Amino acid sequence: KAGVTQTPRYLIKTRGQQVTLSCSPISGHRSVSWYQQTPGQGLQFLFEYFSETQRNKGNFPGRFSGRQFSNSRSEMNVSTLELGDSALYLCASSPARDEQYFGPGTRLTVT
Amino acid sequence: QKEVEQNSGPLSVPEGAIASLNCTYSDRGSQSFFWYRQYSGKSPELIMSIYSNGDKEDGRFTAQLNKASQYVSLLIRDSQPSDSATYLCAVSHSTLTFGKGTMLLVSP
Repeated sequence: KAGVTQTPRYLIKTRGQQVTLSCSPISGHRSVSWYQQTPGQGLQFLFEYFSETQRNKGNFPGRFSGRQFSNSRSEMNVSTLELGDSALYLCASSPARDEQYFGPGTRLTVT
Repeated sequence: QKEVEQNSGPLSVPEGAIASLNCTYSDRGSQSFFWYRQYSGKSPELIMSIYSNGDKEDGRFTAQLNKASQYVSLLIRDSQPSDSATYLCAVSHSTLTFGKGTMLLVSP
């Protein structure tokens, strides 16, 4: 079974721009979660979607948003990028709620 | 605020030894517990899950859970240089909260 895929793998943006990241979960998985990973803060939860509904949201500003489509694919968007948004963005899929399987991540650099 | 604490390390062990990684958590309502392995430049990989008190063994890995003490551990027997990575403890109670990880270095 194919794993979680994320596109693009690398991205360079400038401050003030916006970015959209995409995630395709493992076939059959209906839950998709997004995380931000930085050296200082570690892995931090952004949000979780299940059947196109946001089920949980982490403590991030409203500039971070997401959505899930009927085929379980998910996108996250960051508007008005700041230097501090530079991070590895990880998507994870789960068949229900617990065990999560991560994609390779998108490395975002904001200059 | 839910917290998961891990010693950042590095934990250095010789090849063939037992590596012991520890994790404590603050949320008593936590129900599911996981260990992930993350190689440098890669994404986390799920290696163990445990849901009830006691030990769970899978090959060279043993996860131990003590809910009364709010403590989770991972033992790696016969450690190999390929086990050198950062090990992340994750605890679930509606959302998954990760510790910052312990770096393990296994020397040949």
